[in-house]
Amino acid sequence: EPEVTQTPSHQVTQMGQEVILRCVPISNHLYFYWYRQILGQKVEFLVSFYNNEISEKSEIFDDQFSVERPDGSNFTLKIRSTKLEDSAMYFCASRASSGGAQTQYFGPGTRLLVL
Amino acid sequence: GDSVTQMEGPVTLSEEAFLTINCTYTATGYPSLFWYVQYPGEGLQLLLKATKADDKGSNKGFEATYRKETTSFHLEKGSVQVSDSAVYFCALSGFTQGGSEKLVFGKGTKLTVNP
Repeated sequence: EPEVTQTPSHQVTQMGQEVILRCVPISNHLYFYWYRQILGQKVEFLVSFYNNEISEKSEIFDDQFSVERPDGSNFTLKIRSTKLEDSAMYFCASRASSGGAQTQYFGPGTRLLVL
Repeated sequence: GDSVTQMEGPVTLSEEAFLTINCTYTATGYPSLFWYVQYPGEGLQLLLKATKADDKGSNKGFEATYRKETTSFHLEKGSVQVSDSAVYFCALSGFTQGGSEKLVFGKGTKLTVNP
């Protein structure tokens, strides 16, 4: 069964460093998402991406964040200058088509720790 | 904005006990409702969903009914197994201005089933 994959599974970085989290969505999916979960808190929407552009972003997704689909298969989240509060589990998700009833398929997550 | 309120955990049950995890929502319009499950060390997996009022989603012995009058989508299982130990997330997907149809999650409920 097709699945969303994410790398790395864990990342430790120093505050102020740049990190890139990578995701490979399911191959025929058109909509891509990043969510994050700070330990003990809710899973929060960060950004959605469709047709090579951001379709929606949350207040969390400030100028330090960016997303890219560089080669038609990978979908990346970049944090330019990490802060302590960026420590969280980051989930990538993809969906085949439009419609709120369509299922979003999630990857296993990348646990980011900023020291 | 849209929100999901989920029963706080953790919940500890003995094998074969009855499970209920409460979930209520606030949303404009008519969202689709989902239960996702996260097994230890894994990503979020769709457990079941319902797309309109009075729909019942079911999977692996779990059920939830979309109740518009009480804005609820409670998860139930008649007889839990040790293998059901996981974190359960209630979520909704509604239309947004950006068209992203992002998911809005509850905080998650950790279930532990003892033999």
